Amino acid sequence: AQKVTQAQTEISVVEKEDVTLDCVYETRDTTYYLFWYKQPPSGELVFLIRRNSFDEQNEISGRYSWNFQKSTSSFNFTITASQVVDSAVYFCALSDLNAGNNRKLIWGLGTSLAVNP
Amino acid sequence: NAGVTQTPKFRVLKTGQSMTLLCAQDMNHEYMYWYRQDPGMGLRLIHYSVGEGTTAKGEVPDGYNVSRLKKQNFLLGLESAAPSQTSVYFCASSHRDRANEQYFGPGTRLTVT
Repeated sequence: AQKVTQAQTEISVVEKEDVTLDCVYETRDTTYYLFWYKQPPSGELVFLIRRNSFDEQNEISGRYSWNFQKSTSSFNFTITASQVVDSAVYFCALSDLNAGNNRKLIWGLGTSLAVNP
Repeated sequence: NAGVTQTPKFRVLKTGQSMTLLCAQDMNHEYMYWYRQDPGMGLRLIHYSVGEGTTAKGEVPDGYNVSRLKKQNFLLGLESAAPSQTSVYFCASSHRDRANEQYFGPGTRLTVT
């Protein structure tokens, strides 16, 4: 069965601290995609990144970076020099590529990040 | 581009009433989805559609119906609302070649009393 676990329910940091959000996944498939989404207090869900299972290269986008490690089935998300605007719930998700038209995302329960001034 | 829009943003229903939530996207996406989000439960897929005229059940389809008469619209219907359907409903869409890179609407907060 496929599963996404975000063990950290809530994290609180002070502005300018670095913070890492953990994501561990389970899948029997050899080809899959991993995603991160952000849900700020306003409620909308914002797509951040998509990663395929063949590409283990880490990715950096400004203050955001992602560490994909197939050996530990993890896809962790780090925010460097956090800002108050980073306060949000962050969701990790997994997509099975072998399900034909059944293209569903398996979602973690989210990590609520509070960045305090 | 407006992206994905949802109508209405808020609604209060009494038990047994019916309503339809409308989702529209202007990105020419083939796939569309309806989710509900509840505290402690995360996002759960209700129904989805891989193209105009086709729909399929997700994880929690009971009590809901959907229709995809036009490519850009995906309607979610509640025939007889129940308090258990109090939730925030999100619509999403994705391009068929972009493996579930889903783009979400702003959500509809529904309360059933």
